[in-house]
Amino acid sequence: GENVEQHPSTLSVQEGDSAVIKCTYSDSASNYFPWYKQELGKRPQLIIDIRSNVGEKKDQRIAVTLNKTAKHFSLHITETQPEDSAVYFCAAKIQGAQKLVFGQGTRLTINP
Amino acid sequence: EPEVTQTPSHQVTQMGQEVILRCVPISNHLYFYWYRQILGQKVEFLVSFYNNEISEKSEIFDDQFSVERPDGSNFTLKIRSTKLEDSAMYFCASRLTGVVEKLFFGSGTQLSVL
Repeated sequence: GENVEQHPSTLSVQEGDSAVIKCTYSDSASNYFPWYKQELGKRPQLIIDIRSNVGEKKDQRIAVTLNKTAKHFSLHITETQPEDSAVYFCAAKIQGAQKLVFGQGTRLTINP
Repeated sequence: EPEVTQTPSHQVTQMGQEVILRCVPISNHLYFYWYRQILGQKVEFLVSFYNNEISEKSEIFDDQFSVERPDGSNFTLKIRSTKLEDSAMYFCASRLTGVVEKLFFGSGTQLSVL
């Protein structure tokens, strides 16, 4: 089955700098890759997603890139702000399957 | 934006007791899910439900677990005889159709088994 690995587990950046979180997946049949932000004690919330027919997607300060050949995808946050501090999870879904397989999460801390 | 709602927000139970976790998915959504998250760990898929039947389940979802959509709005997860290792945050989720991938999560039920 699908396996998703996420790095780093913790990331600390200065406010205003960029943050990059990387994930790899194992099953080449995966075709949907969402990113979720989870604040302490709250529900995971989708912040951006990408399908396998697209290499990059941007939404304001957030972007996701996908390299299907290498089976990895990354989340890029530019101009980080204190409210970006949270745990970020990547996930992958195999085409035709129902479940999302999540990475282990990255605790992002933005230092003022 | 519409939300998935879950009750209760916290549930404490004794080992061996049955618990039912309740969810109201977004009203026009057709696919329903349960995920769980043990403290500090990744979110794990338990089960998906479509057209009044289980469409996919994980190895975690053994005979102790069951799901039901008793009416047009509720979606429940039952754990028949809880174990200590069932302690986790349980998230219900729903999505609109098989084509629209976006998954909406509820706020979760924190289950503590003593």
